[in-house]
Amino acid sequence: DTAVSQTPKYLVTQMGNDKSIKCEQNLGHDTMYWYKQDSKKFLKIMFSYNNKELIINETVPNRFSPKSPDKAHLNLHINSLELGDSAVYFCASSQAPGLAGDEQYFGPGTRLTVT
Amino acid sequence: GEDVEQSLFLSVREGDSSVINCTYTDSSSTYLYWYKQEPGAGLQLLTYIFSNMDMKQDQRLTVLLNKKDKHLSLRIADTQTGDSAIYFCAESMRAGTALIFGKGTTLSVSS
Repeated sequence: DTAVSQTPKYLVTQMGNDKSIKCEQNLGHDTMYWYKQDSKKFLKIMFSYNNKELIINETVPNRFSPKSPDKAHLNLHINSLELGDSAVYFCASSQAPGLAGDEQYFGPGTRLTVT
Repeated sequence: GEDVEQSLFLSVREGDSSVINCTYTDSSSTYLYWYKQEPGAGLQLLTYIFSNMDMKQDQRLTVLLNKKDKHLSLRIADTQTGDSAIYFCAESMRAGTALIFGKGTTLSVSS
């Protein structure tokens, strides 16, 4: 049973296209996140949702739009893809904010390559 | 501002102890974490420590926190080749908020 799953695992597309990455968690968590890991392995938060509501929106281009249809899913849609969007995108989830010892569980990542 | 610093590389021999260091700047950080990333894989939480603790031990892993110096370390005893990976230090101000990651330390274990 995969706790946090992402699809697809690999995504190769051309500049200018629009693509989506899906994330699902079966842990019953209320909070979900998207992180971006660049070619130098640096990880940075992009978005965070708590119970379907956006709570963190870091400085990312508005070509990136997260969508949370329910608290178990957080999808990432990217418009007009650019070469610099090539990275590994990680979804994560955790229990409701404020709980002591809260842990974030990460998905396996989606490697996006824009050509 | 928030910043987490780590040395980028560490090379050890199998059986030795590894010590990975991390410094952070946000004194209000409440939770500090160590994650492991194997090649081509996601992030695995190894351990975490609350800011009111000095030390935490879990089998071969020992975490030391010096809050005054904002210094965190992860010691891996009896390092094995399977420990070869990237180790990320991360901080958060409170549970459920985004993690601020360091750039990761690549641990290479030779036999």
